[in-house]
Order: sequence, then C-alpha cells, then structure tokens
Amino acid sequence: DSGVTQTPKHLITATGQRVTLRCSPRSGDLSVYWYQQSLDQGLQFLIHYYNGEERAKGNILERFSAQQFPDLHSELNLSSLELGDSALYFCASSQGQGAQETQYFGPGTRLLVL
Amino acid sequence: AQSVAQPEDQVNVAEGNPLTVKCTYSVSGNPYLFWYVQYPNRGLQFLLKYITGDNLVKGSYGFEAEFNKSQTSFHLKKPSALVSDSALYFCAVRDTWGYQKVTFGIGTKLQVIP
Repeated sequence: DSGVTQTPKHLITATGQRVTLRCSPRSGDLSVYWYQQSLDQGLQFLIHYYNGEERAKGNILERFSAQQFPDLHSELNLSSLELGDSALYFCASSQGQGAQETQYFGPGTRLLVL
Repeated sequence: AQSVAQPEDQVNVAEGNPLTVKCTYSVSGNPYLFWYVQYPNRGLQFLLKYITGDNLVKGSYGFEAEFNKSQTSFHLKKPSALVSDSALYFCAVRDTWGYQKVTFGIGTKLQVIP
C-alpha cells in the first residue's frame, strides 16, 4: 500500500458525460501527478500540481482539467467523454517537486466510456 | 527530448534462474532512472532508482539495477527469480536539465515459469 488513495475504483459512464476522479496523496506529500494508462499509448503524463499550483502539463486534452485543493487532495475532471477516454487513470504523489523524487502511485481508477 | 526504450515485450525465465529486464534511455542532461512494477489491477509500485553515485542500485524484493552511462542503459536484475515476480515492469527516466516529466517505457511483461 503506497498511501495514495483514489476514488472511485471503477467508473462506467456514457459518451458525452462528465466525471470527476479524486486522489489523496500520501501524508506530507505536496506534489500530485496524474497519468493515463491505455493499451495503445502506455503510461502518459497528464498534469502535475505542487502545493496547489499547476506545475506542468503533459498530454492533457482541453476537455480534461484538474485542481489541487488546500488540503492537497486533487481532482481530475473529464468532460465530453469519448470512447477513447476509456483507460486507467493513476495519480501519484511525491514529497516535493524535484526531479529526483520518487513518485508513489495510487491503485488507479478504471474508466469505461460506453 | 527524453525517451526510454524497453526492447522486450515479454521475458520468460525459469524459477530460480537469474532474470534481466532491459532498459535504455536518452536524455539531454543527466538522467534520473526508476524501475516500477505493476501487478494485475494494481497501481505501480516503486522498486528502485538511480540518482547519482554507485552504478549498482539495490531495491525492493531483491531487485537491483546497473546504471551504465556509456551504453545509456539501466537494466533490472535479480539473481534468482520467483513465480511471484511475474508482473509488468516499467523503466522510467527524468532528465535533470530543466523541468522534465517522467517518461515511462512501454513495459516488459515478466513471466517466471515454475
């Protein structure tokens, strides 16, 4: 158990809908990262927040947004969902934002868009 | 741009035999290198990382990895494989120059045969 929690574990929804995925980092960690894992794209970095501020964006679609709250938990919002958004979504946390820091991953949210 | 390659989709090894999972990387500056393991329906678990110093890094569950700068490689090794080591292994790299996301390889499936 990494100490990173994600809810829900599974999510089934329809195209065009909007969902929110939630992540709580390990105690004391200030950074939260979001990743998408799909069979054809592998593990893709989406976005990084550090202490409430957006630090970097990766391959995140405009339909997707995220935020980190004062209690350091983070939410990833996915809107206008398409079939291709079906994937595993992971969040990870680290203590700081240095490149050498280890990221600890949550168990993921499996999203299925029908 | 940084990249990481895992040239083998799958590695099969007999229980008790040594195992190697290969990883090569490309960065502009110096690399930080990571290995993670993913069991079915689970998040990624951190195994070990290379930051600086000794080229041989020891990690969790008896795994180790050797950093070879001239060959730009960071192969994961274990002297004696266990059936329970069967999983998906990811190599990851992060450039020390500027802000760089973590780039993950596509993963190598390790199958340990009893």
